[in-house]
Amino acid sequence: KQEVTQIPAALSVPEGENLVLNCSFTDSAIYNLQWFRQDPGKGLTSLLLIQSSQREQTSGRLNASLDKSSGRSTLYIAASQPGDSATYLCAVRQGGNQFYFGTGTSLTVIP
Amino acid sequence: DTAVSQTPKYLVTQMGNDKSIKCEQNLGHDTMYWYKQDSKKFLKIMFSYNNKELIINETVPNRFSPKSPDKAHLNLHINSLELGDSAVYFCASSQRGQEYTEAFFGQGTRLTVV
Repeated sequence: KQEVTQIPAALSVPEGENLVLNCSFTDSAIYNLQWFRQDPGKGLTSLLLIQSSQREQTSGRLNASLDKSSGRSTLYIAASQPGDSATYLCAVRQGGNQFYFGTGTSLTVIP
Repeated sequence: DTAVSQTPKYLVTQMGNDKSIKCEQNLGHDTMYWYKQDSKKFLKIMFSYNNKELIINETVPNRFSPKSPDKAHLNLHINSLELGDSAVYFCASSQRGQEYTEAFFGQGTRLTVV
């Protein structure tokens, strides 16, 4: 069964720093990997989707990479801002149309 | 317009009651899901429907019963609510078999059983 792990569980950085969030998964037979952001008490906002055939996707200050063979994805956030503070979740999509979520990384950007 | 909408957003109820959470998507997706987020923020699938047909039914108590009147709606009915049912429930939708499509989530329903 697919297991998705995110490291670190929590991260606190000063404003302006570049940072990397990690996501690893045990079964490489995935359709895609999606990164989400969740603000406290809110729903999930999709940030980036990487298809299994792709290596990376970029949106603004965000860049997500995928190495399917090694079961890893990273989310790179450039020039972090206090507004980036949230929980970041990765989810892999597999056959049967199910999404498996990671445990999340809680990010705090200190002004 | 909200892509995936859930109602209510908050639900506080007593043990033993029966309650329903409604979900609607206007994305034209053929697959809808219910996820439960526990106190540690971990999201776990409960059910998935494709074109009104149940395709995923994880180990969930029989007190939870999903109902899909059409492919744009997936409601969750919970009987005899227990304290342990307190959590945030998320509805989501996607298009089956298309790896380039995103999953979209509702804003969640925070259920508190007292």
